[in-house]
Amino acid sequence: DAKTTQPPSMDCAEGRAANLPCNHSTISGNEYVYWYRQIHSQGPQYIIHGLKNNETNEMASLIITEDRKSSTLILPHATLRDTAVYYCIVRVLYGNKLVFGAGTILRVKS
Amino acid sequence: DAMVIQNPRYQVTQFGKPVTLSCSQTLNHNVMYWYQQKSSQAPKLLFHYYDKDFNNEADTPDNFQSRRPNTSFCFLDIRSPGLGDAAMYLCATSRVGVNSPLHFGNGTRLTVT
Repeated sequence: DAKTTQPPSMDCAEGRAANLPCNHSTISGNEYVYWYRQIHSQGPQYIIHGLKNNETNEMASLIITEDRKSSTLILPHATLRDTAVYYCIVRVLYGNKLVFGAGTILRVKS
Repeated sequence: DAMVIQNPRYQVTQFGKPVTLSCSQTLNHNVMYWYQQKSSQAPKLLFHYYDKDFNNEADTPDNFQSRRPNTSFCFLDIRSPGLGDAAMYLCATSRVGVNSPLHFGNGTRLTVT
């Protein structure tokens, strides 16, 4: 499985953009980058995923570098409810699996 | 709303007493997963079903079993729970394929006394 590296924690001011980085230098050509978050005592929540192109949905934007070795999840206007653990995951090509790494604890502060 | 439902939300069992956790889905997804999440750790995949095809992770203890009687339901059986099996157990579903996100339930928190 392609390994991901994320900072253990980050702080963000409420109303500002939260930019969460992820390194995945061993990613293979057909492996997707997924982002999930987990709020305390809840199941992981899907945020966004992408292969090569930048992606945007109602929750966030995903910026993937041209060499695909890193990506950034952007929450455009962070709120206190965005405080959570954010997981960057490279999805293996075969076997349907999703393997979680350690994640980044994002604290949004007022 | 289509969803993944786990019951019960909290389960207490005694050391060595078999326990079953349940998961149901209304998404009609082919794939169902069970994850274990211990305190302050990331979720760890135990096994998954692709339709009726069972796929066990290499490091999942034999103490953990699973059943999927139909598309909608999946069960996690812990044959002889130990204190180290206390954790949140998460069920998830997806369509087949690497481009299909997993949808998670809110988990069952298991306490072993």
